[in-house]
Amino acid sequence: AQSVTQLDSQVPVFEEAPVELRCNYSSSVSVYLFWYVQYPNQGLQLLLKYLSGSTLVKGINGFEAEFNKSQTSFHLRKPSVHISDTAEYFCAVSVGRRALTFGSGTRLQVQP
Amino acid sequence: NAGVMQNPRHLVRRRGQEARLRCSPMKGHSHVYWYRQLPEEGLKFMVYLQKENIIDESGMPKERFSAEFPKEGPSILRIQQVVRGDSAAYFCASSRDTTYEQYFGPGTRLTVT
Repeated sequence: AQSVTQLDSQVPVFEEAPVELRCNYSSSVSVYLFWYVQYPNQGLQLLLKYLSGSTLVKGINGFEAEFNKSQTSFHLRKPSVHISDTAEYFCAVSVGRRALTFGSGTRLQVQP
Repeated sequence: NAGVMQNPRHLVRRRGQEARLRCSPMKGHSHVYWYRQLPEEGLKFMVYLQKENIIDESGMPKERFSAEFPKEGPSILRIQQVVRGDSAAYFCASSRDTTYEQYFGPGTRLTVT
């Protein structure tokens, strides 16, 4: 079985500051890794994915993440956040096309 | 290309009634997944279906819940004799044969009174 830990439940940050949202996973087999964003009362939007290849992946809205196999981490970063980035962010893993296992989410609060 | 469609967006049911949630996957997608998001909890997998087949229902409660994805038409998640604890947001996601990422619909928010 897989598990995902998002170490921070809330991350407050000022506008235009950099941010890192942390994600660690546990699995006995190789997994695919994903970050999703959820705005209030909406569905989840795929930000980026790591399937194979380069460990640094770039996604939408200026976000990027780095896969670190030895540390079993997949942290999400953005060099300069905007008010509009305020949302809940979920890290998820899957084995093949099986179900996604989600972390508990990190609420990013961007303050002016 | 339209995204994943779910209806209704909001559904209110009294205890003991049935709830039917519908999901139309993106065009060309033949894999459908259902997830549940309880208040103040993360998203939990319920069931994974392909056309006419249930591939994995390990996350589905054994009683009152069922799902189908017929050859024609949307996928349906059915909850019989709803209870207050069924109140949650139910999300459907779809993927196609050639990729692994799942695309989510806007969800159905079920309230049981």
